[in-house]
Amino acid sequence: GAVVSQHPSWVICKSGTSVKIECRSLDFQATTMFWYRQFPKQSLMLMATSNEGSKATYEQGVEKDKFLINHASLTLSTLTVTSAHPEDSSFYICSATRLAGGTDTQYFGPGTRLTVL
Amino acid sequence: SQKIEQNSEALNIQEGKTATLTCNYTNYSPAYLQWYRQDPGRGPVFLLLIRENEKEKRKERLKVTFDTTLKQSLFHITASQPADSATYLCALTAAWGGKLIFGQGTELSVKP
Repeated sequence: GAVVSQHPSWVICKSGTSVKIECRSLDFQATTMFWYRQFPKQSLMLMATSNEGSKATYEQGVEKDKFLINHASLTLSTLTVTSAHPEDSSFYICSATRLAGGTDTQYFGPGTRLTVL
Repeated sequence: SQKIEQNSEALNIQEGKTATLTCNYTNYSPAYLQWYRQDPGRGPVFLLLIRENEKEKRKERLKVTFDTTLKQSLFHITASQPADSATYLCALTAAWGGKLIFGQGTELSVKP
């Protein structure tokens, strides 16, 4: 149990276009979903925290108008990178925590590799 | 500022030996410390969680210690196998369900 999926697994886009990444909890309801970004050989950096039906909370330095997060249901959160530029190229990973019980562990998705040309 | 440091150098060990990875932190009072495994191009996989009032936690060949005085956690893999080769991340959180702050990870390579 506790499987999190992401789609797409990789995407290449042109500079200036927008890209949407989906994060789904497949076998549990997620109270909270987190979005991270990871550059090569670096740590995961938290971008934002999202709760179902609420506005996302962004970390300092993350532009909320550029990285749009929607958490419309207990099993789906989306991250849209608007007007993407080459410096946005990175590995984007989401995670989700369970609704109730358990150890409140974050379960991570497999990640989405974004390359902006 | 808050800082989490893991061995930046890759750790190379022989199969069957015990691997020991270190996680040190400063300017932080975590309630929980977690260890994750990450394979190249994949998301992290949860391994173990230890609370601030726990000294040690075990799971099969894995053992984690947590010393809040030294502000350090040690992660041990006994009887290591080539399949254990991966990057291992430690992560801290100040509250239950709160955001995780990750270290940069230590790459472990187990040679047959």
